[in-house]
This record gives sequence, C-alpha cells and structure tokens, in this order.
Amino acid sequence: GQNIDQPTEMTATEGAIVQINCTYQTSGFNGLFWYQQHAGEAPTFLSYNVLDGLEEKGRFSSFLSRSKGYSYLLLKELQMKDSASYLCAVMDSNYQLIWGAGTKLIIKP
Amino acid sequence: GAVVSQHPSRVICKSGTSVKIECRSLDFQATTMFWYRQFPKKSLMLMATSNEGSKATYEQGVEKDKFLINHASLTLSTLTVTSAHPEDSSFYICSARGEADTEAFFGQGTRLTVV
Repeated sequence: GQNIDQPTEMTATEGAIVQINCTYQTSGFNGLFWYQQHAGEAPTFLSYNVLDGLEEKGRFSSFLSRSKGYSYLLLKELQMKDSASYLCAVMDSNYQLIWGAGTKLIIKP
Repeated sequence: GAVVSQHPSRVICKSGTSVKIECRSLDFQATTMFWYRQFPKKSLMLMATSNEGSKATYEQGVEKDKFLINHASLTLSTLTVTSAHPEDSSFYICSARGEADTEAFFGQGTRLTVV
C-alpha cells in the first residue's frame, strides 16, 4: 500500500531551526510537496521537489532523496507565526496526491 | 501563484437540507478539481477528483449520491452535500490544477456545520 510517515508533533524555540522529516512508500513518484496549514485554514503551498537535493526558498528549505524515499522540510529563524501543521504529500504515478497526516509544529518563545 | 476561490467559507444548515459549495479558479483554467474533507486534527481525505466535462471519480467509501460534484466549466466546480446530517459537519476544501501544471492550488475551505 501507499504510506506517508511524518512525526505527529514537534516543538521548537523561536529563532531556532527545526527539521520535519517525511518518509514515503508510494506506487510511482512524480514529486513531493510540502504544505503549511494553520488551524481552520486551507493548506498553502511551500515547496515542490522532484529531483534529489535541496531546494532553498527564504527561511524554508526542502530536501529530497528518492532512493531513500525521504524528504525533510527545514525551517530557519523560527517565528511564532510558523506555528502550524506541515503536510507532506507525494504525487504518485497516477498524478494523485497521497497525503501524510501532518506534523503539528509548536513554537515557544 | 494561481488563485482559487471557494465559497462560502462558513455555512450552518439544518439537518435534511442540501448545501452547495463552489470552487472557482480565477486566473487559470482548472482541468482537474479535487475535493477534500478534513476532520479535526486529521489530514486531508480525498473525496473525489473531477475533470472538466466528465463525471467525477469518487474515492472508496464516499457516497456519490450524497456528495454531488459538478465540473461543468474550466473555472467552476461545485460540491453539493445532499440531505445533510450532523455527521457531515466538517471542513471541505477544493483544489484546482491546470492541464500543464503539477501543483494544485487550494481554495480557502468551507466549514460546514449541520444542526
């Protein structure tokens, strides 16, 4: 079956760095997405990786290793507004998104 | 990024009535629309995928007669929850994707409460 695993919850301190991991097993691979979702709101797009390596976008970076079925989202210089759920999703061979359960990130002052 | 508008953002309805949720792509042609349902503290659950001009493809366990999806144009898809019951109360989110796009863009979501 298809499976996306990510930690349920993480806590970090304002100004610090946090890495949210995601491992996946899917039927085919057409890219991996990271989304941010604040409570009560729809997800917003953060990043898309289809090739191995690191993609940097401001304070956020996303890494992909297709051979390991692994990705991480790196958040630097954490701000209180970064408190949210972070969803990992993989696009399978049918171009359908398979979603992880999300990681709730709690930022403490 | 592209803009997807979902309406209404919140709706309260009486049990037994029907509710229509609209999802519009404002600045691109959405060849594919996805409808999700999200329970509290849970991830998104794909309900159905619709391609413009075709019947929607429903995921296993989703009642197609209860959740009617129409995708009659390249900029509009609607989800109608028929004969709503309190257990249908949830957060419904649409996303839209253009023909040449990989990324799907999300609407703002609709909080449905059935009383």
